[in-house]
Amino acid sequence: EAQVTQNPRYLITVTGKKLTVTCSQNMNHEYMSWYRQDPGLGLRQIYYSMNVEVTDKGDVPEGYKVSRKEKRNFPLILESPSPNQTSLYFCASLEGLGFSTQYFGPGTRLTVL
Amino acid sequence: QKEVEQNSGPLSVPEGAIASLNCTYSDRGSQSFFWYRQYSGKSPELIMSIYSNGDKEDGRFTAQLNKASQYVSLLIRDSQPSDSATYLCAVNPPLDSTLTFGKGTMLLVSP
Repeated sequence: EAQVTQNPRYLITVTGKKLTVTCSQNMNHEYMSWYRQDPGLGLRQIYYSMNVEVTDKGDVPEGYKVSRKEKRNFPLILESPSPNQTSLYFCASLEGLGFSTQYFGPGTRLTVL
Repeated sequence: QKEVEQNSGPLSVPEGAIASLNCTYSDRGSQSFFWYRQYSGKSPELIMSIYSNGDKEDGRFTAQLNKASQYVSLLIRDSQPSDSATYLCAVNPPLDSTLTFGKGTMLLVSP
């Protein structure tokens, strides 16, 4: 079954404690992306990766890091989380750049106290 | 600046009616347009994509694109209560590898 998985699904943490949200896809897709979704602000792209070792900033990259060492994995790293990073995070993958086959993961709800 | 505008709603329609959802975008020259459906607490799901001016139909869904007016819409015919969700419009700006989403329109279909 084609899928994008994220872990953890829910996380409550404290300010400044480094965390990593993992994302994995089993479709051999080249393009992967991270979004955050906030009430009233919609879905905004954080970072994206067009292939292994190729990453670029989206619209709201501040406070986040990513890496793409393997094609299937695209972890999102918060080195020093702050309360304004409390949000619902989605990982997505798609084949090529057409966006017509974009699959989203189930989401990670992060709360930073 | 990349902007995609949608009316936040909620848009309320009775079961069986046509729901019309609208979206405008700022980047003239954008070529790819998408509609996603998102149920509460779930991830977005792609339901329609459109690239050329005019209408594109898929079952009960019709996407309409007018590049001159920078306008894209989604019509849902014979609306069902199960169509109640937030509908997100997304645009791939020109020469850009990202996708810009609108804030979404909540649709409520009453039995």
